[in-house]
Amino acid sequence: DAKTTQPPSMDCAEGRAANLPCNHSTISGNEYVYWYRQIHSQGPQYIIHGLKNNETNEMASLIITEDRKSSTLILPHATLRDTAVYYCIVRVEETDSWGKLQFGAGTQVVVTP
Amino acid sequence: NAGVTQTPKFRVLKTGQSMTLLCAQDMNHEYMYWYRQDPGMGLRLIHYSVGEGTTAKGEVPDGYNVSRLKKQNFLLGLESAAPSQTSVYFCASSYGLGNYGYTFGSGTRLTVV
Repeated sequence: DAKTTQPPSMDCAEGRAANLPCNHSTISGNEYVYWYRQIHSQGPQYIIHGLKNNETNEMASLIITEDRKSSTLILPHATLRDTAVYYCIVRVEETDSWGKLQFGAGTQVVVTP
Repeated sequence: NAGVTQTPKFRVLKTGQSMTLLCAQDMNHEYMYWYRQDPGMGLRLIHYSVGEGTTAKGEVPDGYNVSRLKKQNFLLGLESAAPSQTSVYFCASSYGLGNYGYTFGSGTRLTVV
């Protein structure tokens, strides 16, 4: 089973910041949090990932709480092209997991004009 | 900078036919993965490989076989296609465990009639 919980959907106004929450209360100390998005039926697109510290790149920011039990993906200025399903994934770091990503249902984000 | 290339992009099979899906990556990644995605659902892991000549079962391996004879290629085979295997198939690759991202292909849409 996926180790994350996300809201099934959310709307965001174009030009505003989109804040996508994710709960991962059973995360272990060495497990990374990954965010991907999927537009229509295209291949998942990497957004950002992190372990403990907050991360920022040209696409988004990732805020991880101090206890690491939850995180928030921030799209600073949402555009219509950001409409997609967003997946929050905790990568299992057990020795026999081999870096497998376990996808949940994700959050359907709709950006409106 | 091709990344991960999947061939073919579309295919229609009759029940009982066989086929092979090819995934090729040019990033010298060690780890490769095959996922399937059914309508309205997240991706589920079929098989994966942690290096040339090694493969392992994922979450939904039944009805599929894989081979990794060359580091850059990961093949997914369907020996006797069934309608339940109608899906979109995605390949992904990564350097391995640790602070690395994953690159996904654009998918193969397979219909079994």
